[in-house]
Amino acid sequence: KNQVEQSPQSLIILEGKNCTLQCNYTVSPFSNLRWYKQDTGRGPVSLTIMTFSENTKSNGRYTATLDADTKQSSLHITASQLSDSASYICVVSDRGSTLGRLYFGRGTQLTVWP
Amino acid sequence: EADIYQTPRYLVIGTGKKITLECSQTMGHDKMYWYQQDPGMELHLIHYSYGVNSTEKGDLSSESTVSRIRTEHFPLTLESARPSHTSQYLCASTRVGDTRTEAFFGQGTRLTVV
Repeated sequence: KNQVEQSPQSLIILEGKNCTLQCNYTVSPFSNLRWYKQDTGRGPVSLTIMTFSENTKSNGRYTATLDADTKQSSLHITASQLSDSASYICVVSDRGSTLGRLYFGRGTQLTVWP
Repeated sequence: EADIYQTPRYLVIGTGKKITLECSQTMGHDKMYWYQQDPGMELHLIHYSYGVNSTEKGDLSSESTVSRIRTEHFPLTLESARPSHTSQYLCASTRVGDTRTEAFFGQGTRLTVV
C-alpha cells in the first residue's frame, strides 16, 4: 500500500533555531517528492520538488534531502522565523499511471515561538 | 504565484441546499484534483480529472460530483448539503507528463453546513 508517514506530528521551537522534519514513504514506482507549506486555512504552497536522481534541494532557508534507496526525505529549516509556523506536508507522486497520483503525509505542525 | 483560483473562500449554508464550489486555473494544466481536508488532518482525494470530459472518483467516498467541460474549469457540486460535508475543499492542478511539474493548489473553500 502506498503510504507517506511524517514525523514528528507537531513541533515547537524557538525563533532562530533550526529544525528537521522527516518523511518516510512506500510509494512505488516513485516519481518525485515534494514538500509543501500550508498556512492555516490556506492551500499548500510548494517549497521543493525532487526526482529520483536528486538528493538535495534548497530554497532559501529550506533544504530538502532525499534518499531514494531508503525512501526517506527530510526538510531542514534554518534560522526559523515566526512566519515559519505552519503545517509542512510531504507529498510523493508515483509514475505507475497516467494520473501521477499524489500521496500526502499528514503533515508536521510547526510552531515557532518568539 | 500560482494561477489557480477557488471561490468562494468561505461558505456557510443550510442543510439541503445545493452548492457549487468553483475552481479555475489559467496554466493550461490537464490534470485537476479536488481534495477534502479536515482541520489538522491530511488531504483526501475525492475527485480527479485527466482532461476535458474525464472525471474519476478518488480515494475518499464523496457525495459530491464534478464536471470538466473546459480545461481551465473544474467545479464541484453538492446537490444537498449536510453537516457532515463541513470541511475544507482544496483544488489542485498539474501538467501531464513532466515529473518535475509542481502541483499548484488553490486557497481552498471552507464550507460549513448548518
